[in-house]
Amino acid sequence: GESVGLHLPTLSVQEGDNSIINCAYSNSASDYFIWYKQESGKGPQFIIDIRSNMDKRQGQRVTVLLNKTVKHLSLQIAATQPGDSAVYFCAENKAAGNKLTFGGGTRVLVKP
Amino acid sequence: GAGVSQSPRYKVTKRGQDVALRCDPISGHVSLYWYRQALGQGPEFLTYFNYEAQQDKSGLPNDRFSAERPEGSISTLTIQRTEQRDSAMYRCASSSGQGLEQFFGPGTRLTVL
Repeated sequence: GESVGLHLPTLSVQEGDNSIINCAYSNSASDYFIWYKQESGKGPQFIIDIRSNMDKRQGQRVTVLLNKTVKHLSLQIAATQPGDSAVYFCAENKAAGNKLTFGGGTRVLVKP
Repeated sequence: GAGVSQSPRYKVTKRGQDVALRCDPISGHVSLYWYRQALGQGPEFLTYFNYEAQQDKSGLPNDRFSAERPEGSISTLTIQRTEQRDSAMYRCASSSGQGLEQFFGPGTRLTVL
């Protein structure tokens, strides 16, 4: 595939501040969206998901917002902690299949 | 087991050799998925199974790649006649059902010399 390589968009956040990570998706037929967190040397870890019949879903310290009009997804992390430092990926899935399509990642660096 | 396991964790092979990558899903998980992840990018879908049936193999790059899950549990991804461009992290995931949360394994880092 194409070589985006190591040049991930990076979000530097002060510990305790809120973080917002954005993602644009391409497929209007997608009806399930997921955010994954990936720490160095580990596999992606599920954070939160949202179905297309919702526009907001909250978890513990995280909120996902879905705007289907502009095909935009965001992840908000409240009171960001050092343990939140990782690469974050959004992914989409269509109802008819199980194929997850991942977007480009965003690296979050939490400064103490 | 406690999570998805994969073996080997690292595999170095010479160009032209065949390799077999193993995935042991979470016990009882019906669905099993294979992805490939390049450095700095998100996982790219390869194929998936429900029980022993391969449901979608549209992501396999070419016919050198194949996967099986003969008893609906452990799966093997085989790459024949490896090429340098096959070098990547190969990840397996499993879920308790179609359309549900996928749990990822630690991956197998394949390096083709």
